[in-house]
Amino acid sequence: QKEVEQNSGPLSVPEGAIASLNCTYSDRVSQSFFWYRQYSGKSPELIMSIYSNGDKEDGRFTAQLNKASQYVSLLIRDSQPSDSATYLCAVRNTGNQFYFGTGTSLTVIP
Amino acid sequence: ETGVTQSPTHLIKTRGQQVTLRCSSQSGHNTVSWYQQALGQGPQFIFQYYREEENGRGNFPPRFSGLQFPNYSSELNVNALELDDSALYLCASIAKSGRGANTGELFFGEGSRLTVL
Repeated sequence: QKEVEQNSGPLSVPEGAIASLNCTYSDRVSQSFFWYRQYSGKSPELIMSIYSNGDKEDGRFTAQLNKASQYVSLLIRDSQPSDSATYLCAVRNTGNQFYFGTGTSLTVIP
Repeated sequence: ETGVTQSPTHLIKTRGQQVTLRCSSQSGHNTVSWYQQALGQGPQFIFQYYREEENGRGNFPPRFSGLQFPNYSSELNVNALELDDSALYLCASIAKSGRGANTGELFFGEGSRLTVL
């Protein structure tokens, strides 16, 4: 069983729509969760971190965490073509080691 | 700007050769980790160094080794290169808050893309 699982996509949404990205994790004691964006040929960049159950909003991005269901999601409102990228979900263990999903490819269609 | 820089950005090696990848991070970032990202995959944890000691290792063979130096720079060495070692190698450090505590957020350098022929 993989530590972190994501739908690989690809996910396509029209410009201005809401993009919804989902992630599940296997280690029930995990406490720290992250979303990274990775453009083609570039390294991952951190866009959101979340540590508590519920929602955390930052601009057009909202991360949602449900520890009971071992589920993390990322919503991107008012999607823009510049949001087209691969989104990686990551979970940090107690040893500061990060486990990443395989990523979901998002395309925002103008 | 993550404060993590890597070199070289691209390199090509042949099977059986050895490679050294380098990373430097900001002063005070005393935890550095290395990840391997194969095409179409997420980053996979190779190992982590804290104050010049390895303090965590992923499922990688011993031919993957590393060093961390007092100036917070780090190296990843891979011996006896195999075709499957072709990947983007990412160096990362844990960010510090304004008070110097670890934020727990991982920031990556631009990566070194290794091609093994």
